[in-house]
Amino acid sequence: AQSVAQPEDQVNVAEGNPLTVKCTYSVSGNPYLFWYVQYPNRGLQFLLKYITGDNLVKGSYGFEAEFNKSQTSFHLKKPSALVSDSALYFCAVRGPGTASKLTFGTGTRLQVTL
Amino acid sequence: EAQVTQNPRYLITVTGKKLTVTCSQNMNHEYMSWYRQDPGLGLRQIYYSMNVEVTDKGDVPEGYKVSRKEKRNFPLILESPSPNQTSLYFCASSYGSGGARNEQFFGPGTRLTVL
Repeated sequence: AQSVAQPEDQVNVAEGNPLTVKCTYSVSGNPYLFWYVQYPNRGLQFLLKYITGDNLVKGSYGFEAEFNKSQTSFHLKKPSALVSDSALYFCAVRGPGTASKLTFGTGTRLQVTL
Repeated sequence: EAQVTQNPRYLITVTGKKLTVTCSQNMNHEYMSWYRQDPGLGLRQIYYSMNVEVTDKGDVPEGYKVSRKEKRNFPLILESPSPNQTSLYFCASSYGSGGARNEQFFGPGTRLTVL
C-alpha cells in the first residue's frame, strides 16, 4: 500500500526567510509525486509534480521541491517566504500504472508572519 | 473558463435521506475522482473513474456510490447518509486515461452535514 507522511502539522516562518515543508512517501515502484496548496475556503490547487528526470522540480509561485529517492522524500521549498504563502499544503503520491490511486498526506499548515 | 463545478456547495441533511452531489468538468478530462477532507486525516480518495463507465474504489468507498455515464459528469451518491459522512467533499479531474502522471483540477468543495 502506498502512503505519505507529512510530519509537521504546522510550519512557522518569517517573511523573507526560506521555508521547507517536509514529505516522505512509501510506494512500490517509481513514484509520481505532487504538491497541492489549499487556501481558506477554496479547493486544492496544483503546485508542482515529479514524474521522472531532474530531481529538483520547479513549480508555481516560486516553489520548488527536491526528490530524494534514497530518503524517499519530496520536500517543498521556497527561498523567500511571503505572507500570502500562508495556506495548507498537501503532498500526494501515486504509484505507476494506469489504475493507480492518489494518496494524500494529512497536510501541513504554513504560517508566514511579518 | 476551464473548471470543475460541484453542487450543492453546502448541504445539511438527516440520517438515511438519500442525496446526490453533482460534479461536472468542462475540460474533456478522462479521469475524475472524489475525495473527502477531514481534520487531521487530509484528503482520502472515495472513488475514481478512468473514463466513461469505468469506476473503481479508492481508500474509503463504504457508504458511497458513483456513476460515470457521461465524460463530463461524475456524481457522488449517498444512499443512506450517516453522521460519520459529515465532511468536506472535493471532486477532481485530470486529462489522460491513465491519470497517473497528470495533475488534478479540483472543484470548490461541498460541505455536507448529516444530522
